Amino acid sequence: GQQVMQIPQYQHVQEGEDFTTYCNSSTTLSNIQWYKQRPGGHPVFLIQLVKSGEVKKQKRLTFQFGEAKKNSSLHITATQTTDVGTYFCARNTGNQFYFGTGTSLTVIP
Amino acid sequence: DTGVSQDPRHKITKRGQNVTFRCDPISEHNRLYWYRQTLGQGPEFLTYFQNEAQLEKSRLLSDRFSAERPKGSFSTLEIQRTEQGDSAMYLCASSPPSGTYNEQFFGPGTRLTVL
Repeated sequence: GQQVMQIPQYQHVQEGEDFTTYCNSSTTLSNIQWYKQRPGGHPVFLIQLVKSGEVKKQKRLTFQFGEAKKNSSLHITATQTTDVGTYFCARNTGNQFYFGTGTSLTVIP
Repeated sequence: DTGVSQDPRHKITKRGQNVTFRCDPISEHNRLYWYRQTLGQGPEFLTYFQNEAQLEKSRLLSDRFSAERPKGSFSTLEIQRTEQGDSAMYLCASSPPSGTYNEQFFGPGTRLTVL
């Protein structure tokens, strides 16, 4: 269907460890977006990936779009307590956007 | 502050009552979205406006829900005859005029509790 599946649902890491969340679709995506939602906050746009095999970096965050454009990943290197929150991927069909269930990241100091 | 604003931030109502929420998007954004989010879930798409036209509406959306954007600026979302299952965070988001970039700017949301 239209949903995107995200794994894992929860991740607890020690501060300084790396973290990866995966987003999978059964159909080819035109693009994929990533958002971060802090506890009690609202989603904040991080990035959009469009091209097959695309890799983008934002400081300690690395975003990848699969070659087949059916999956994407977000990797955080050396997590910090400020990385705490839920990370969502989102796909769109026209102007309808479908968010994944998110990966909730807890960073243990 | 030039971000997306929503009012009220919290609403408690009794089952069967009608409620209306307001969203003020970023001023130059002509695209506006409404979402509903429940605990542990991602935002669920409800409807989309481009200027004043409602171009997309979720097929899962009950006919008790209606949204307007009369002048292409602020938008309202009304829920009639509220049910306990309507309790959720209602998020509004806006985007600049269409292009390849689909970045959405979310407001703080209106938390609805139906008793």
